[in-house]
Amino acid sequence: GQQLNQSPQSMFIQEGEDVSMNCTSSSIFNTWLWYKQDPGEGPVLLIALYKAGELTSNGRLTAQFGITRKDSFLNISASIPSDVGIYFCAGQLSDSGGSNYKLTFGKGTLLTVNP
Amino acid sequence: DTGVSQDPRHKITKRGQNVTFRCDPISEHNRLYWYRQTLGQGPEFLTYFQNEAQLEKSRLLSDRFSAERPKGSFSTLEIQRTEQGDSAMYLCASSLVRLMEASGYNEQFFGPGTRLTVL
Repeated sequence: GQQLNQSPQSMFIQEGEDVSMNCTSSSIFNTWLWYKQDPGEGPVLLIALYKAGELTSNGRLTAQFGITRKDSFLNISASIPSDVGIYFCAGQLSDSGGSNYKLTFGKGTLLTVNP
Repeated sequence: DTGVSQDPRHKITKRGQNVTFRCDPISEHNRLYWYRQTLGQGPEFLTYFQNEAQLEKSRLLSDRFSAERPKGSFSTLEIQRTEQGDSAMYLCASSLVRLMEASGYNEQFFGPGTRLTVL
């Protein structure tokens, strides 16, 4: 199935550093989403972006919806040990009737934070 | 806990056996999705239900897979004659889609998943 191009695949950083990851697609989406997944758990939504060009923050997280609707980035500032996990981007495209909201995910970015 | 629940959390089976997983969505949610996640990959869409109706199936869902949501509440995913390639995490998600909602964002809430290992 289709997956988004997410980079980097993994990052190993020191506590307090900032982190940036991005996602690109060959097709457009109406909504871009960023999830975090801890081992053995399902993804948990971090940020949702609804409009091209939108920049949204949630605490230390900032994400942007690219103006072409084919890309997005996520920044994490001042990382802490509990930021460890796998971060996924996802695109959501509803049709004109809004009938299907299935998610298309990237392959994930594994973040390790060294205390 | 009123979130999405899945049972069992882990299942180990031998190749050729049948397995069934259950998902209980958030109670008022009318939409239910199944995704499959293999190691090192993001979740991939399998199928979804609007109430009890199964409206779309991915080509990833071979004829050995069947999903049901008989009363529009819980859902089951059955895999017949399991193969080693079926080993994965099976995730369920639910959402509330309101009538006349033409477009826009619809948040899906994920369960913890069922991890299947086929020996």
